[in-house]
Amino acid sequence: LAKTTQPISMDSYEGQEVNITCSHNNIATNDYITWYQQFPSQGPRFIIQGYKTKVTNEVASLFIPADRKSSTLSLPRVSLSDTAVYYCLVGDISGNQFYFGTGTSLTVIP
Amino acid sequence: SAVISQKPSRDICQRGTSLTIQCQVDSQVTMMFWYRQQPGQSLTLIATANQGSEATYESGFVIDKFPISRPNLTFSTLTVSNMSPEDSSIYLCSVRGGRENTGELFFGEGSRLTVL
Repeated sequence: LAKTTQPISMDSYEGQEVNITCSHNNIATNDYITWYQQFPSQGPRFIIQGYKTKVTNEVASLFIPADRKSSTLSLPRVSLSDTAVYYCLVGDISGNQFYFGTGTSLTVIP
Repeated sequence: SAVISQKPSRDICQRGTSLTIQCQVDSQVTMMFWYRQQPGQSLTLIATANQGSEATYESGFVIDKFPISRPNLTFSTLTVSNMSPEDSSIYLCSVRGGRENTGELFFGEGSRLTVL
């Protein structure tokens, strides 16, 4: 299982772009990279998933370099409502176990 | 997407007692996952529950402490047995679904247990 490493916390001002990097040096060929967002008193929510290069959806972008040993979640122009914990998961999407890392607590400041 | 309902949403329990958490999904799913989230911590996978078979427990979790039932494809229960204050956590039920071929997980709101 590929272990992930993320910064414990980050602060950002409203309106700025936030980039959260996750390291996963032991990622396997079949592994995908998935990011989740968790607000207090709620379960995590899927944000974005990718295998390589760049993926973009209505919420975020995910950048994955060619060696796939890291990935960066990019949140454009954050607002106060983006204050949450962000988790990076690495694993086979057809597998049966999904392990969460420590997560990054993002605080958006007015 | 899957909608997951958990009961109870929160409870205060006495040491030594047991509590059963229910998880109801609005669609049929093969696998259901139970996680524990201790205060200020990340999620830890407790077990994977398949309908019609014994649950598969992760290292550090045993059936005697966390018995799981999976009577059908939309329902599961997790019991926290002989509780101690260290069992005070949020317990979350999860299923796979959603976007095709993503393995996306959906979560319930969680059951917050406080053991005195």
